[in-house]
Amino acid sequence: KNQVEQSPQSLIILEGKNCTLQCNYTVSPFSNLRWYKQDTGRGPVSLTIMTFSENTKSNGRYTATLDADTKQSSLHITASQLSDSASYICVVSGYNNNDMRFGAGTRLTVKP
Amino acid sequence: NAGVTQTPKFQVLKTGQSMTLQCAQDMNHEYMSWYRQDPGMGLRLIHYSVGAGITDQGEVPNGYNVSRSTTEDFPLRLLSAAPSQTSVYFCASSYSRAGTDLDSTDTQYFGPGTRLTVL
Repeated sequence: KNQVEQSPQSLIILEGKNCTLQCNYTVSPFSNLRWYKQDTGRGPVSLTIMTFSENTKSNGRYTATLDADTKQSSLHITASQLSDSASYICVVSGYNNNDMRFGAGTRLTVKP
Repeated sequence: NAGVTQTPKFQVLKTGQSMTLQCAQDMNHEYMSWYRQDPGMGLRLIHYSVGAGITDQGEVPNGYNVSRSTTEDFPLRLLSAAPSQTSVYFCASSYSRAGTDLDSTDTQYFGPGTRLTVL
């Protein structure tokens, strides 16, 4: 079972609407959680990074939240734009692990 | 800065052929890594390097070799290509071993990827 589960797998919204993407993880002990945006045919680009002590982090219209007790994170996108169409990947790291654990991503499509 | 560059962007191989995927970064990052991305799965770590001359295996190292002779370059070699190695390959770099060192929140920069098809 993947240690990082994202939902939904895909999402279609209209331009200008808000949406929220979910990430649940079992990685323990927890170090930090990252959200990446990956455009089609491109490499992932970092949006936010949160440590255990942070429960919210914003980057423009993107706001990530973290509940380390329930091991859940969300990425909220406000006033979506066509350029927000991409895959959004949640990545969780634990202390003393060999690597980061990547979720499979949520594919977001913003339609005009 | 060019950031992280990868070549080629696309490659088609026959089973049994060998090739090298190139990766370079101009940010003087110590940590570099190779991932593969398959449909419906998260990126998986193949090999990584914490500095010139130092490499180690990740989650899925079989069938791949790496070397790190300079800080800038981190090539990935496929020894004898197999259809199971059909995937998109990403190289990444960061100042530290992003995400695994205590309190490390360094940004990890990814290259544009190489799409490999093995027939």
